[in-house]
Amino acid sequence: EAGVAQSPRYKIIEKRQSVAFWCNPISGHATLYWYQQILGQGPKLLIQFQNNGVVDDSQLPKDRFSAERLKGVDSTLKIQPAKLEDSAVYLCASSSQGNTYEQYFGPGTRLTVT
Amino acid sequence: EDKVVQSPLSLVVHEGDTVTLNCSYEVTNFRSLLWYKQEKKAPTFLFMLTSSGIEKKSGRLSSILDKKELFSILNITATQTGDSAIYLCAPSHAGGTSYGKLTFGQGTILTVHP
Repeated sequence: EAGVAQSPRYKIIEKRQSVAFWCNPISGHATLYWYQQILGQGPKLLIQFQNNGVVDDSQLPKDRFSAERLKGVDSTLKIQPAKLEDSAVYLCASSSQGNTYEQYFGPGTRLTVT
Repeated sequence: EDKVVQSPLSLVVHEGDTVTLNCSYEVTNFRSLLWYKQEKKAPTFLFMLTSSGIEKKSGRLSSILDKKELFSILNITATQTGDSAIYLCAPSHAGGTSYGKLTFGQGTILTVHP
């Protein structure tokens, strides 16, 4: 079974630029999560999708961050404009409908904002 | 506000030692507690604990949950250099808009020397 795929693996941008991350969950997994992990901290949930609907986006900074999950499969997370404090690893995870609590993580995208 | 505290923050041991990692939590609408191992980037699932007092084991790793005192421990016996990683605990939420949501602790960095 293929795992969660993410791209790019690394991205360096200047502040005020925009960036987008892509995630392809495990086939058949209905629930998809985006996390932000700042160095030295645990992952923090940004947004949770159930199929193509948003379940929880309470910790997503909506003035600069947006996310969508077209057709309930792939998802993109965008930051516009980026700030220095957005430097982090962005992790995507997915889980199946019947096993929501066990999440499988992708390799992440390391973002550096200069 | 949900709170998850792991201790110690870091631990350095030699191969063959036994280690105990701690996780205390305060979350609303608690469902279960998950442990993850993070090497390089993607966290990988170790255990999910739902019932108090029932130990789960996988090889040299074991974990137990105390729902009355709101903590969990992860034990690793006969440690190996391959156990070097960040260990994350994450209570999950049940029901409502937070269904399946994980709140991660800051992690314990374990370093095992040969």
